[in-house]
Amino acid sequence: KNQVEQSPQSLIILEGKNCTLQCNYTVSPFSNLRWYKQDTGRGPVSLTIMTFSENTKSNGRYTATLDADTKQSSLHITASQLSDSASYICVVNPDGNNRLAFGKGNQVVVIP
Amino acid sequence: EAQVTQNPRYLITVTGKKLTVTCSQNMNHEYMSWYRQDPGLGLRQIYYSMNVEVTDKGDVPEGYKVSRKEKRNFPLILESPSPNQTSLYFCASSRSYEQYFGPGTRLTVT
Repeated sequence: KNQVEQSPQSLIILEGKNCTLQCNYTVSPFSNLRWYKQDTGRGPVSLTIMTFSENTKSNGRYTATLDADTKQSSLHITASQLSDSASYICVVNPDGNNRLAFGKGNQVVVIP
Repeated sequence: EAQVTQNPRYLITVTGKKLTVTCSQNMNHEYMSWYRQDPGLGLRQIYYSMNVEVTDKGDVPEGYKVSRKEKRNFPLILESPSPNQTSLYFCASSRSYEQYFGPGTRLTVT
């Protein structure tokens, strides 16, 4: 069973609207959680990294939240743009040594 | 510019013909790794290296080899490629929590 589950698998949103992506994980122990953005055919690019003690972190229009007690994270995209069309991957690092647990990604399509 | 480079970016080959995908980083990172990405499966780790001459298997190492003779380079070797190794491959390097991915190599084995 995948230790990192993301939902929804895919969604379509109108340009200018907000959306929230969910990540639930069962990985233990826990060191940090990352959100990556991956454009089609390109390598993932880091958006945010949060450790156990952090509840929220922003990177421009992207805001990630973390509840380490319930093992849930979310990524909120504000005022979406066409360039936000991508896959967003949630990645959990159990012990800080880079053996990572990857989610399968949320596929976001922004339409005009 | 800090970056991870991979070559080639695209490769079509035939079953059994040995190939090497090169990976190089200019950030002096100790940790490097290789992933493959397949539709519906997400990213899966093939091999990783904690430092020069230190490598270990990831989740899907069968059919692959790696070497780490210098800090900056981490080539992925397919001794006898098979069609089930058709995939999109990513090299990554990291220090601390920040991980940088290469642009990807799309491999097709016929």
